[in-house]
Amino acid sequence: EVVLTQSPGSLSLSPGERATLSCRASQSVSSNYLAWYHRKPGQAPRLLIYGTSTRASGIPDRFSGGGSGTDFTLTISRLEPEDFAVYYCQHYGSSPWTFGQGTKVEIK
Amino acid sequence: QLLESGGGLVQPGGSLRLSCAASGFTFNKHAMGWVRQAPGKGLEWVSSISASGANSYYADSVKGRFTISRDNSKNTLYLQMSSLRVEDTAVYYCVKGHSAYGFLFDCWGQGTLVTVSS
Repeated sequence: EVVLTQSPGSLSLSPGERATLSCRASQSVSSNYLAWYHRKPGQAPRLLIYGTSTRASGIPDRFSGGGSGTDFTLTISRLEPEDFAVYYCQHYGSSPWTFGQGTKVEIK
Repeated sequence: QLLESGGGLVQPGGSLRLSCAASGFTFNKHAMGWVRQAPGKGLEWVSSISASGANSYYADSVKGRFTISRDNSKNTLYLQMSSLRVEDTAVYYCVKGHSAYGFLFDCWGQGTLVTVSS
């Protein structure tokens, strides 16, 4: 089983600032099958990034993903008020399809 | 759109069946699944089923107790849960598999709460 460890657990930033979130896998993620989701309070999770760096439909270009092997990052170039949420990484290469424990991005 | 139903309060050892009504896409072309989130915890993949229903997959934590199924004529996904435990308490989300990657979830329902308690 691939264990995904996200850091930091929480991040306190102001609108307009840059956010960098990390996701580290316990073993290499096959074919970079790594995705990112966010979940806003009271809403369902939403797919942001897949294939490490491909933005899902409708996701603005301030969101970008990178990395390979076991180390991946999600960067939000300039935080908008609607970006304050909990972010999860997920690998979808092989069963079981695990998630990280989440990083909460809070308003400072 | 995905609309879950069937959640509620059940005693340990009891059973519950969740349903997910799908609309707005060609249901029989996509893998589907369930992901849950326990109170104060992160997301946990529970189970998935192929587009045809021929293949199903389960997390170790629910294997042998939960059964996923689908009715493509009704555009509906199900999760039959039995021998429920307190640790199964969670919001259960119905998820749609991406057209190219079945275990990448590109649409989520709002969730239904399952509470296992005596």
